[in-house]
Amino acid sequence: NAGVMQNPRHLVRRRGQEARLRCSPMKGHSHVYWYRQLPEEGLKFMVYLQKENIIDESGMPKERFSAEFPKEGPSILRIQQVVRGDSAAYFCASPITGGTGELFFGEGSRLTVL
Amino acid sequence: AQSVTQLGSHVSVSEGALVLLRCNYSSSVPPYLFWYVQYPNQGLQLLLKYTSAATLVKGINGFEAEFKKSETSFHLTKPSAHMSDAAEYFCAVSEDNFGNEKLTFGTGTRLTIIP
Repeated sequence: NAGVMQNPRHLVRRRGQEARLRCSPMKGHSHVYWYRQLPEEGLKFMVYLQKENIIDESGMPKERFSAEFPKEGPSILRIQQVVRGDSAAYFCASPITGGTGELFFGEGSRLTVL
Repeated sequence: AQSVTQLGSHVSVSEGALVLLRCNYSSSVPPYLFWYVQYPNQGLQLLLKYTSAATLVKGINGFEAEFKKSETSFHLTKPSAHMSDAAEYFCAVSEDNFGNEKLTFGTGTRLTIIP
């Protein structure tokens, strides 16, 4: 499967725990976007990374959220001390062809905070 | 900053009827505009995009959209709805108009097809 792979697909955490979401981009691609979809809302941009570099993190909440994309391995979106408001679907996407606005999305990771 | 407004969070049409999903945008410069579709528990798929070429854009699955600058609209249409079209549809604009992938999405329209 050469598509964008995300895991876990579903994650349940209690308030105060940490959530780690992983994303492997399309084969041969070295850039990923993370978007968040809150219930009944559209997707909101969070962060844009290439391997070993954060290009744009203007959409990331100031606290508790971080993202990385190491040289080896998947991109990771980390949420520390989760709260109920973090419950959402988190989508990772690869640019289909850079600079065209076209994204290939993964199936998402759905975080539920109890 | 750009923004997107989708009128109607839920739209129901009969199978075989015309589908019309509305999208209006605000932008100070010519925008790059997109329609994405999301099937249940899946990621978004690109339906079509406008990048300042032809104002009538054809996409996959028989959908098309027309860019109207005077109305700042980019409505999505399909002449004859099929049951498989039931999904959520999102209109989006590229934030800095250089066609990058930092998109601003509308809140979505859930399309229901009545048999």
